Amino acid sequence: EVQLVESGGGLVQPGRSLKLSCAASGFTFSNYYMAWVRQAPKKGLEWVATISTSGSRTYYPDSVKGRFTISRDNAKSSLYLQMNSLKSEDTATYYCARRTNYGSYVGFFDYWGQGVMVTVSS
Amino acid sequence: DVQMTQSPSYLAASPGESVSISCKASKSISTYLAWYQEKPGKANKLLIYSGSTLQSGTPSRFSGSGSGTDFTLTIRSLEPEDFTVYYCQHYNEYPPTFGAGTKLELK
Repeated sequence: EVQLVESGGGLVQPGRSLKLSCAASGFTFSNYYMAWVRQAPKKGLEWVATISTSGSRTYYPDSVKGRFTISRDNAKSSLYLQMNSLKSEDTATYYCARRTNYGSYVGFFDYWGQGVMVTVSS
Repeated sequence: DVQMTQSPSYLAASPGESVSISCKASKSISTYLAWYQEKPGKANKLLIYSGSTLQSGTPSRFSGSGSGTDFTLTIRSLEPEDFTVYYCQHYNEYPPTFGAGTKLELK
């Protein structure tokens, strides 16, 4: 059974940093692109980052480019999101998601974690 | 960025009825569209991809249609567990974007 379990969320002050982790199991982690998607309170879903199987390619929207870094450790079947210079608008539930191996090069997500809350506030 | 306009935002129906949810893209996305189901306390579930292909495990009462800019998710013979939130997502180009969601409520 595919499982994605996020951790590392919490309350952080504006301008500070936080690192999220996602532990994957039930599939060959190194064979899949992975992604982070977030959902601000009472808002819709927003894609945050995608990483290739080896980690050599990463993709971000303009809203987090230069502040967030996605990375992975295939030996540990783990995905990470380093978030720097956090802003109040980064407050959201962050989901780890597995990108399918078919479809366009952008892809869609066939498995999601249950999410971890990040609150950016002074 | 491609904007995804999902409608309606809220939809009330009764078990046994059929409903349709619309998702319109701001430019053509071919059939690069997925539909997801969100339930409280559960991981989001992929229902449909490529506009109309059911993900393994998706009940046959769900169907998707459309191409280009206009897409529809239809749920026939609503079951109690279907009353929740649905999102569309395009994956034609970066950044992938989602619709704002449709909350299907019990009438």
